Amino acid sequence: DAKTTQPNSMESNEEEPVHLPCNHSTISGTDYIHWYRQLPSQGPEYVIHGLTSNVNNRMASLAIAEDRKSSTLILHRATLRDAAVYYCILRDTKYYGNNRLAFGKGNQVVVIP
Amino acid sequence: DGGITQSPKYLFRKEGQNVTLSCEQNLNHDAMYWYRQDPGQGLRLIYYSQIVNDFQKGDIAEGYSVSREKKESFPLTVTSAQKNPTAFYLCASNDPGQHQETQYFGPGTRLLVL
Repeated sequence: DAKTTQPNSMESNEEEPVHLPCNHSTISGTDYIHWYRQLPSQGPEYVIHGLTSNVNNRMASLAIAEDRKSSTLILHRATLRDAAVYYCILRDTKYYGNNRLAFGKGNQVVVIP
Repeated sequence: DGGITQSPKYLFRKEGQNVTLSCEQNLNHDAMYWYRQDPGQGLRLIYYSQIVNDFQKGDIAEGYSVSREKKESFPLTVTSAQKNPTAFYLCASNDPGQHQETQYFGPGTRLLVL
C-alpha cells in the first residue's frame, strides 16, 4: 500500500503562512493525494485534493512535486481556527474501486497567537 | 441541511453489554464507513458498505457488527466480544462514482466503558 510520511507536529505563528510537508515516495500513477484536517473532538473534514497539478481552493493550496513523491499543503494565513491535526492521505490502491482512505497519525499543527 | 448525523454523542457501556451507534446521512451517498480513533492515533477502518444490503470488513472488524438495510443508515454494534471498546467512533459517507473520493464525516460518538 502506498503510504505517507508527515511530521508529528508543527508550530506556526498566527497570520503567517504554514507549509505542511508530506512524503509519498511509493505513490502510484492513479493515486490521488488528499488532505483532511481534524479539529479537537470533531470528525475530519476534507481540505483539498490533487493528482498532478497544483490546486487552490478557499481553504488552502496544494503543491505537488513534479515526480509526485511529495506534496505540500499551504495555509496562506494561519488563524487560531486552523489548529488541528492534518492528514495527508493517498487512495488505498490495494482496494481499487472501493474508496478506502488510510489515515495515519497526521501532523498536529499548533498556531501561536 | 445535508450531512451526517451520529448519535449519541457519548455512550456508556457496561461489561458484557452490546451497544449500537447510530449513523444517518441525507447526502444520497451509496458508500458508508465506520472508523475507530484511539487517543493520539489516526483513524482505523472497522467496516464499510458500498451499497445497500452489502458490507465488508475493514482492518479491525473483530468484536463489531453492522447492517445496511437502508441507504441512509449504517448502524454499528459494539459487541461484548470487543474487549477494549473505549474510543471515538466516526462514521463517514461518500459517492463512489466520484473519482476524487471525498469522504464526509459525522461528529463522532465517544464510547466509554463503565
